[in-house]
Order: sequence, then C-alpha cells, then structure tokens
Amino acid sequence: SQQGEEDPQALSIQEGENATMNCSYKTSINNLQWYRQNSGRGLVHLILIRSNEREKHSGRLRVTLDTSKKSSSLLITASRAADTASYFCATLNFGNEKLTFGTGTRLTIIP
Amino acid sequence: GAGVSQSPSNKVTEKGKDVELRCDPISGHTALYWYRQSLGQGLEFLIYFQGNSAPDKSGLPSDRFSAERTGGSVSTLTIQRTQQEDSAVYLCASSLARANQPQHFGDGTRLSIL
Repeated sequence: SQQGEEDPQALSIQEGENATMNCSYKTSINNLQWYRQNSGRGLVHLILIRSNEREKHSGRLRVTLDTSKKSSSLLITASRAADTASYFCATLNFGNEKLTFGTGTRLTIIP
Repeated sequence: GAGVSQSPSNKVTEKGKDVELRCDPISGHTALYWYRQSLGQGLEFLIYFQGNSAPDKSGLPSDRFSAERTGGSVSTLTIQRTQQEDSAVYLCASSLARANQPQHFGDGTRLSIL
C-alpha cells in the first residue's frame, strides 16, 4: 500500500518557471526521499532528507520536511524541458528497509 | 557496470507460464530490493535482501512469487503460473547497508501476460 498522496497529480508549467510538488505521508519516518522517473525508465534518486532535517538543497532542487504535518515539498527552480518526468516521494520508516512510495506527480515543462 | 542492471527489459508470456527476472546490483551493495509498478497499485515493495538472506518478504503478493540471491550479488525473481494481474514493471534497487543511504534503481523489466 502507498504511504500517502502527492499533489498535484499533474503539473504543466512554462520553461524557466519554478515547480512545486507536495507529498503527505501517514506514519513516523526515518527519512524521506524524492525520485524522478522518465517515461519507460527506472527511478533516479534526487535527494534524501532525514527526519531531523527541515530543509535540504541540491543544485536547482530544494526539499522541505515538516514532520509535525507529515508533509514534504520539492521545489525545482528555473525549470528546463529535461525536467519533464514523474516525481515520487518515498518514505523509509524506522525498523524496516523498504521504501513506501507516494502516488507521484507528472510534471510537464513547456518549452 | 556502473548501475543496477535488469534483464530482460521486456517479457511477454502466456498466462500460466513461469517467468524469471534477473537483477545485477551495483558492485559492493549488500542490500537489494524488488518493487513492482502497475497502473492500479502504483509502486509497491515486494522483497528485501541483506546479503543472501531475505529478512523482509512481506510484499510478495502470493506463494507464486519467490526470489533468491546468490553470492550476495545477482538476484532472481520468479513468478510461477503467471496471471494477467501479474502484468507490471518489476524494478530492482540496491544500496549500501548503512543508515540513510539512497536506493539505486534499474530500468525495470516490463512483464506482459497475455
């Protein structure tokens, strides 16, 4: 079963704009990870944020985590056509090793 | 190779046949995972290996599904007597067995049951 929801389910923006995706989850976590999936390909790891962290940056990516609200957001700044993909959040709970994935956001960047 | 390698990339088979899916993890990664991605169910965990043992098999949907890992490296996921609902993309991932390490995924095997 899936941990939670992501919203929006789909997002289309103009190239150069910023894209924000949100993820909610249900149980206490050890860490939360964001992955990208291009059509027909596997998942590419983007960023991992630990439960005791509130914000993390990697290049054009910014992730926030609010454990009190059980939510996270992924911001992609200055979007490019190559950012078109599906984005998934995944949580790792204490005591086990399996990732539990959200439902994903389909991001389309319009050139 | 540098990444997780899965084979075959595509598999079409008839209902009732057995299939074997292979995963070759990143060298040195002792943890290996199988997931399934389907339209109706999204991304679901199947099984986790640490070395050659599988401490968590909780995601295997039925006893038709089994997996093994030999030599702490290559893993095989076997589905016996395939059913149409087994159609999905089967993804393998591997990671270092340390806290807060990302899982690295292969491109998956797209399985279609006719």
